[in-house]
Order: sequence, then structure tokens, then C-alpha cells
Amino acid sequence: SQQGEEDPQALSIQEGENATMNCSYKTSINNLQWYRQNSGRGLVHLILIRSNEREKHSGRLRVTLDTSKKSSSLLITASRAADTASYFCSETSGSRLTFGEGTQLTVNP
Amino acid sequence: GAGVSQSPRYKVAKRGQDVALRCDPISGHVSLFWYQQALGQGPEFLTYFQNEAQLDKSGLPSDRFFAERPEGSVSTLKIQRTQQEDSAVYLCASSLMWGVGSPLHFGNGTRLTVT
Repeated sequence: SQQGEEDPQALSIQEGENATMNCSYKTSINNLQWYRQNSGRGLVHLILIRSNEREKHSGRLRVTLDTSKKSSSLLITASRAADTASYFCSETSGSRLTFGEGTQLTVNP
Repeated sequence: GAGVSQSPRYKVAKRGQDVALRCDPISGHVSLFWYQQALGQGPEFLTYFQNEAQLDKSGLPSDRFFAERPEGSVSTLKIQRTQQEDSAVYLCASSLMWGVGSPLHFGNGTRLTVT
């Protein structure tokens, strides 16, 4: 079964706005990763945050991690139409990386 | 450099046929994963290799599914006697060395349709 649940399932915003996606997970993690998937393509790694980190930045991306609440958030600032994709959080637990159901982000030009 | 390559890109099989899906990982990547992704869902783990050793196959849904990586590079996922519920996108991913936080690099997948 999948671990990690993204919220919301779908998000539609205007170009230039910020987009925030949340993820909850169930197990004790080594790290948590966020991936993006464009329609018909494979997943692309965005950012990794370790269990002892609370916040991490990469360009227009900001990820936070709250291990006490077993939750993470991904913020995309100043969104662009090209950011339209599905976004997945993933837990590293043991030998596998498990994914949630994803958030479908639509950025309208 | 070249990324993860999967072939074929699309496969249509009649129910009961056997299929073989190929994955060429990034050169030098030790770890290789197979995932199954149903429409509108997240990828579901199938199996994991470290070099030629299949260390975890607990995600394979039935004994009709078989994966191999005999020389620690190219991997093949075989599905015997395909059923309609096998219709999905099969994603392959490789990683330099799993367990030390290196990210997964995914191919674009093989879309399998069983009719």
C-alpha cells in the first residue's frame, strides 16, 4: 500500500502565484524526497530533505519537514505555466522509496 | 549524458500473452528499481536490484511477474499470461547507490495495455 498522502489532490492557480502542497507520511523516515512528473513522462527528482533538517531551499522551491507531525510541505514561488505537473512526496524506508498519490498542479497563464 | 532508457514506449498485448519490458539504466548506477503506475495514481514499488542481486521483490503482485538484471546493468521485467489488471505504466529508475540519499532517475516508462 502507498505511504504518504499529498494534499490537496488538485490545485489550480494563476501564473505568478505561489503553490503549496502538503504531504503526510506514516513511518519513521531517513529522508523525504519530492518529485515532479509531467504528463506521459517519468518522475524527476526535485529536492531531498533529511530527517534532521527542518527546511531546505532550491531555487523557487522551499521544502519544510516536521517529523513530530510526520508532515512535509513543498512551496513553489512565483509559479510558471511550465510548473504544471503532478508532484509526489516519497518516503525512504528500508530498501524502498514509496510514493503518495500526488498533487496535480495546474498553473494557468 | 544519457538518462534511463525504457523500451518499448508502448506495448499492446492480448490477454494471456507474455511481455518483456526493458530498462537501460544510467551507466555506473548500482541500484535499479521497477515501479507500476496506474492512471492517476502514484508509482507503486515492484522490485529492487543492487547490481545483479534482487534484494527486494516483495512488491511484485503475483508469480506471473519476474524481473532480472543478470549482468548488473540492463534489466528486464517479464509478465507472463498478461491480465487486464496488468495494464499500467511500468517505470524503471536507477540510482548511483541506494541508501545514501542519492535520488532516483526515472525513465519515461512503458505503457502496457492488455486487451
